[in-house]
Amino acid sequence: EPEVTQTPSHQVTQMGQEVILRCVPISNHLYFYWYRQILGQKVEFLVSFYNNEISEKSEIFDDQFSVERPDGSNFTLKIRSTKLEDSAMYFCASTAGGETQYFGPGTRLLVL
Amino acid sequence: KNQVEQSPQSLIILEGKNCTLQCNYTVSPFSNLRWYKQDTGRGPVSLTIMTFSENTKSNGRYTATLDADTKQSSLHITASQLSDSASYICVVPFTSGTYKYIFGTGTRLKVLA
Repeated sequence: EPEVTQTPSHQVTQMGQEVILRCVPISNHLYFYWYRQILGQKVEFLVSFYNNEISEKSEIFDDQFSVERPDGSNFTLKIRSTKLEDSAMYFCASTAGGETQYFGPGTRLLVL
Repeated sequence: KNQVEQSPQSLIILEGKNCTLQCNYTVSPFSNLRWYKQDTGRGPVSLTIMTFSENTKSNGRYTATLDADTKQSSLHITASQLSDSASYICVVPFTSGTYKYIFGTGTRLKVLA
């Protein structure tokens, strides 16, 4: 069964450093999403992406965040200058269009 | 304000017992409601999607109900198994041109042998 994959599974970085989280969505899906989940809290929507552009973003998704689909398979989330409060689990999800979202296993980011 | 509230926050039951989890939402306009299961440290996995016109939908031992008038949904788990231990999350899409998904805080279920 096709699945969303994410790399790395864990990332430890120093405050102020840039990180890139990578996702490979399911191949025939058209809509892509990033979510984050701070430990012990609910999942929060960050951004949705369709047709090579951002279609929706939350107030969390400020100028330090960016997303890109550099080729036909990868979907990346870049955090330019990480802060302590960016420590969270980051989930990528994809859907063919409006119905079930398929989530990846997540990347656990720890900012020291 | 568009919100999704879940109760109880956590629940402990014995293996083989049934349980019911609740979800109340204030998202408008409403199109559908989703229940996800999230194992610790993993991404959410879809259990069921309830559209506006559906009252009940089953997926194996999971049965979801929806009352669009009272804006409530429930997830009933029958004959619980140890593997049911997880967080169960209610999600309601918010349509404002494109989809944005509003997640509830989840119910953490623990099934004991």
